[in-house]
Amino acid sequence: DQQVKQNSPSLSVQEGRISILNCDYTNSMFDYFLWYKKYPAEGPTFLISISSIKDKNEDGRFTVFLNKSAKHLSLHIVPSQPGDSAVYFCAASGWNAGNMLTFGGGTRLMVKP
Amino acid sequence: DTEVTQTPKHLVMGMTNKKSLKCEQHMGHRAMYWYKQKAKKPPELMFVYSYEKLSINESVPSRFSPECPNSSLLNLHLHALQPEDSALYLCASSQGGHGTDTQYFGPGTRLTVL
Repeated sequence: DQQVKQNSPSLSVQEGRISILNCDYTNSMFDYFLWYKKYPAEGPTFLISISSIKDKNEDGRFTVFLNKSAKHLSLHIVPSQPGDSAVYFCAASGWNAGNMLTFGGGTRLMVKP
Repeated sequence: DTEVTQTPKHLVMGMTNKKSLKCEQHMGHRAMYWYKQKAKKPPELMFVYSYEKLSINESVPSRFSPECPNSSLLNLHLHALQPEDSALYLCASSQGGHGTDTQYFGPGTRLTVL
């Protein structure tokens, strides 16, 4: 049973436009959510996180939105740049999850010049 | 500084070999992790060390043996691996091993088992 799902395996966006990556979760005990960016053959790079006490967190071009009632979070990248092309993973954890991160399956973002 | 280093970057080994993967962090983090990642899949948790003690073992075969010599170092000893063990092995660390800590990943070791 996948507790964290990224339903879009890929997304293509024009440079300068907004990229919106979505993530859904089922476990209501999750209270901390993270987005990671991954290039091929490299480790995931932490991008941004959000605690369940917030509904928005912003860091430069990256904004994460959390809708707890819908168990849905999204990552907005604006403006999108070709260097943003990578696989993006959302992940979730919680106080009762110990040290464990539960990852979604990833979304491949392609930003076209 | 959020750097986690891993060596070697690439490793090719036969099924009868013994090798070790190494991971190091100097962020003062007290939790360290090993993950395995296959192509086009998310990372899968293998082991968690919290305050230098093994706290989570996700039913990993005994041919993988973790070791945490101190709070900055994490090793993964490999013995009698199978070709299906070929993958990217990722190390990560976090501050205290709590559910709301951010995990920072190393660049990974690309392992090929012949």
